[in-house]
Amino acid sequence: AQSVTQLDSQVPVFEEAPVELRCNYSSSVSVYLFWYVQYPNQGLQLLLKYLSGSTLVKGINGFEAEFNKSQTSFHLRKPSVHISDTAEYFCAVSAAGGSTLGRLYFGRGTQLTVWP
Amino acid sequence: ETGVTQSPTHLIKTRGQQVTLRCSSQSGHNTVSWYQQALGQGPQFIFQYYREEENGRGNFPPRFSGLQFPNYSSELNVNALELDDSALYLCASSSPRSGGDNEQFFGPGTRLTVL
Repeated sequence: AQSVTQLDSQVPVFEEAPVELRCNYSSSVSVYLFWYVQYPNQGLQLLLKYLSGSTLVKGINGFEAEFNKSQTSFHLRKPSVHISDTAEYFCAVSAAGGSTLGRLYFGRGTQLTVWP
Repeated sequence: ETGVTQSPTHLIKTRGQQVTLRCSSQSGHNTVSWYQQALGQGPQFIFQYYREEENGRGNFPPRFSGLQFPNYSSELNVNALELDDSALYLCASSSPRSGGDNEQFFGPGTRLTVL
């Protein structure tokens, strides 16, 4: 099975500052990796995904993430945050094949709070 | 193209009761997955349905059951409700294929409160 650890439960940051949300995963097979955002009282929206190829992945709203296989990490970054980025962010992993294809395993989430 | 929809939005039940949650998948998707998101936690995989058959199950007891219909919509049923079943229940639809796009599209969720 796969698992995800999000190292920070809360990240406060001032507007226009850079931010990094950390994610490490564990898996015995090749994986796909995802970052989702959840605004209050809403479902999950996909920010970006890594399936294969380039390890630097660009997503929506100016976010990007880098897949590091040797460190089993998939950290999310944004060079300059806005107040509207305040939300809960979830890292997720799924197997890249086999019987568990399509199942997502999530971390516990990181609450990003952007202050003016 | 219609996205994933879920009903009802909110639900309040008492311990021991039974509940049915519904999900309509996105057009063209043949797979529905259900997740439970307890307060302050990440979503946890309950089970997945592919072409009307259960295609994998997470660590949830048998009182959590589901169905998928020919139009690929789905139901999640929970019997003998417990207080710990209080959570946001998320449905996601997809068309998983190895080596290809594996994106799951989530609905807005059903907030279940068990008193």
